[in-house]
Amino acid sequence: SQQGEEDPQALSIQEGENATMNCSYKTSINNLQWYRQNSGRGLVHLILIRSNEREKHSGRLRVTLDTSKKSSSLLITASRAADTASYFCATDAFPGAGSYQLTFGKGTKLSVIP
Amino acid sequence: NAGVTQTPKFRVLKTGQSMTLLCAQDMNHEYMYWYRQDPGMGLRLIHYSVGEGTTAKGEVPDGYNVSRLKKQNFLLGLESAAPSQTSVYFCASSRRTLTSGFTGELFFGEGSRLTVL
Repeated sequence: SQQGEEDPQALSIQEGENATMNCSYKTSINNLQWYRQNSGRGLVHLILIRSNEREKHSGRLRVTLDTSKKSSSLLITASRAADTASYFCATDAFPGAGSYQLTFGKGTKLSVIP
Repeated sequence: NAGVTQTPKFRVLKTGQSMTLLCAQDMNHEYMYWYRQDPGMGLRLIHYSVGEGTTAKGEVPDGYNVSRLKKQNFLLGLESAAPSQTSVYFCASSRRTLTSGFTGELFFGEGSRLTVL
């Protein structure tokens, strides 16, 4: 079953605007990760945030984690056409059966219009 | 540095045929994974391995077998292909982490697109 669920399913913005994607999950986690997938390609890791962290930055990316609400958000600032891709959150469930596994959501498809 | 390499990239099978997908990684990673990606379903874990000679079932293991005879290779087999196995298959690998059960960054291959007629 899906652990993480992204929202919205699709997002279309103009170049230069900010894009925000949300992820909700169901069980306690060790960490939450965000990945990007360009059309027809493999997934690429963007950022990992541990369960004891609340915010993390990497370049134009900002990720927040609220473990009390079991949710995370990915903000891409000053978007570019090259940011057009699908974005997935993935959770590392803790403890027990989810260990050593990442469970992915269904993704948000982002379109950045030049 | 090739990273994670999957072969073949494309394959068309008839129902009942068998095939093997090969995944090779050159990063000396302990953990390897096979996922399938279907429209509207995201990625679902088929099988995974936490070390040479060990494998474990993921979320959707039925109809698939795996082997990890060498640390750098993880094979996914379909013994009798079915149309429901039409999908894009992704292999991934990751390092062993210091914290037991903690999964770090996954490195993905470019995918193998399988069509079963």
